[in-house]
Amino acid sequence: NAGVTQTPKFQVLKTGQSMTLQCAQDMNHEYMSWYRQDPGMGLRLIHYSVGAGITDQGEVPNGYNVSRSTTEDFPLRLLSAAPSQTSVYFCASSYSALQGGYGYTFGSGTRLTVV
Amino acid sequence: SQQGEEDPQALSIQEGENATMNCSYKTSINNLQWYRQNSGRGLVHLILIRSNEREKHSGRLRVTLDTSKKSSSLLITASRAADTASYFCATAPDTGGFKTIFGAGTRLFVKA
Repeated sequence: NAGVTQTPKFQVLKTGQSMTLQCAQDMNHEYMSWYRQDPGMGLRLIHYSVGAGITDQGEVPNGYNVSRSTTEDFPLRLLSAAPSQTSVYFCASSYSALQGGYGYTFGSGTRLTVV
Repeated sequence: SQQGEEDPQALSIQEGENATMNCSYKTSINNLQWYRQNSGRGLVHLILIRSNEREKHSGRLRVTLDTSKKSSSLLITASRAADTASYFCATAPDTGGFKTIFGAGTRLFVKA
């Protein structure tokens, strides 16, 4: 099993550009989420999904969109990149939507720089 | 504000010593989880303890949970250089919803 796969690993964007960060899992996990990690701040939840067709906002959703058309994929779209979105982005999944009661499996991250 | 806050922020010990990290949180929880992150990598799930449990073991890891004090501790016994990493606690509030909140982490450095 590949687990959680994130692409790309690195990306540089210019202010105002848009892009999509890809996340795919092959474990038939119900729950998927996106976090951003900034130095000294831990991980902050951007958006999450408890199943195909169902998404909701986390702590810091502004500037990001998500959709979940299949169980496997949960892409994160940056609508108009800003320097404040420079961060490392992690996708995570869990077997159950019940509060991560089985723990999360994380991808290896996408390091995004907005100039 | 962060739901879970780790203490200390950084810890440096010798190989073979024990390492203890603490996590405090603010609201009632369904469960608490600990994760490890090696530099530049994704987080790896270590252990999950539910709100009705007080202690849990996994290999050299021991986690305790005190819901009355809203705190948890992670003990790594007989530490190794390979344990050098950042350790995060994550809490799942029992207020409904599906938002697991991570703390800022403890950076552990184990000297060989």
